[in-house]
Amino acid sequence: DADVTQTPRNRITKTGKRIMLECSQTKGHDRMYWYRQDPGLGLRLIYYSFDVKDINKGEISDGYSVSRQAQAKFSLSLESAIPNQTALYFCATSANRAGANVLTFGAGSRLTVL
Amino acid sequence: GENVEQHPSTLSVQEGDSAVIKCTYSDSASNYFPWYKQELGKGPQLIIDIRSNVGEKKDQRIAVTLNKTAKHFSLHITETQPEDSAVYFCAASLTGNTPLVFGKGTRLSVIA
Repeated sequence: DADVTQTPRNRITKTGKRIMLECSQTKGHDRMYWYRQDPGLGLRLIYYSFDVKDINKGEISDGYSVSRQAQAKFSLSLESAIPNQTALYFCATSANRAGANVLTFGAGSRLTVL
Repeated sequence: GENVEQHPSTLSVQEGDSAVIKCTYSDSASNYFPWYKQELGKGPQLIIDIRSNVGEKKDQRIAVTLNKTAKHFSLHITETQPEDSAVYFCAASLTGNTPLVFGKGTRLSVIA
């Protein structure tokens, strides 16, 4: 089984629908992240969490929310999806090691908003 | 905040040749610089990293160099092989408690 599991892997939805992307990990890492990948724009940080009670906005948090249900689970929600949220979404984890965040990524969730 | 610029956006090389990808960063206090490789249909994976107290690091056919004065770092791949074809991302972070900021990626194609 993968260390970082994302569900669903692919999702097509319509404008205005609520969408949840889920992430679970077996790495035992404290830190979890949600990134968005768009062609030509690289990986941009949406939200991150350094422990269960910690939630921080990233570079592009508008239109998104997150929930850290447990150390191993971090979900991303789009309350009312819009077409420009069509993208590849990655969950990642890292251990709390001073000086470096070595990320382990999931395989990605491709979201299409029509 | 930190800003990372990466060049080129696409790179094609003949098998066996070398490939170089360059990144610049804006915050002189950044001290950790990793490189990630993303193969088709997969998430990015760390291939090499360097800290600000080191100028160069090698791992078999890949190496990373860091110039703190100029605020740039580079990935060097020698004797390229078809399996090196992928998207490569550079990144930088200020401390262990700040998330990575990624460059926009370089699509490397190795032509057999």
